[in-house]
Amino acid sequence: EAGVAQSPRYKIIEKRQSVAFWCNPISGHATLYWYQQILGQGPKLLIQFQNNGVVDDSQLPKDRFSAERLKGVDSTLKIQPAKLEDSAVYLCASSGPGQGTYNEQFFGPGTRLTVL
Amino acid sequence: AQTVTQSQPEMSVQEAETVTLSCTYDTSESNYYLFWYKQPPSRQMILVIRQEAYKQQNATENRFSVNFQKAAKSFSLKISDSQLGDTAMYFCAFSAGGTSYGKLTFGQGTILTVHP
Repeated sequence: EAGVAQSPRYKIIEKRQSVAFWCNPISGHATLYWYQQILGQGPKLLIQFQNNGVVDDSQLPKDRFSAERLKGVDSTLKIQPAKLEDSAVYLCASSGPGQGTYNEQFFGPGTRLTVL
Repeated sequence: AQTVTQSQPEMSVQEAETVTLSCTYDTSESNYYLFWYKQPPSRQMILVIRQEAYKQQNATENRFSVNFQKAAKSFSLKISDSQLGDTAMYFCAFSAGGTSYGKLTFGQGTILTVHP
């Protein structure tokens, strides 16, 4: 069974530009997470979706970050405008019944963003 | 709010030997879960082991086992018979139970290098 897919794998942009990341969770997983992992640190949860509704976005910088999960499947995370401190790896994870232990989070390979 | 602390930025071990990674956490929750995740250089985060706080018995998964000291809020990972493929960043993570389950709080990580 396919894992969590993310694209692109790498992205380099200038500050103040916009960028978008895409995530396709494991089929049947209702819950989707976006994490930000700054180099040398542990991931930090940005937003959690349950189907197409937001469960928790308390750590999402809403002045520049936005995320959506249309039809409760794929999700996009957007940054507009980007700042230097947004350089990080953005991880997508999904969980739900149908694979492995219920509620185990399965992670994608991440997108490494570099803001110059 | 929960905090997770990993006090060992880096550890090294010889192949076939045993190594223990430390983790402490702070929470006021009574129902929670603790995890160890492995992140190899490829960046794919993989669940190594999970411990439910209500269980007194320490979790084991093949060569991986934990020492869960609830009163001390300590959760260490022991890797026996270390293999070169165990080289990775290891993260300790916390999740409250109930409706908050799934929102992971990660520690800073420990880089483990296994030497031949």
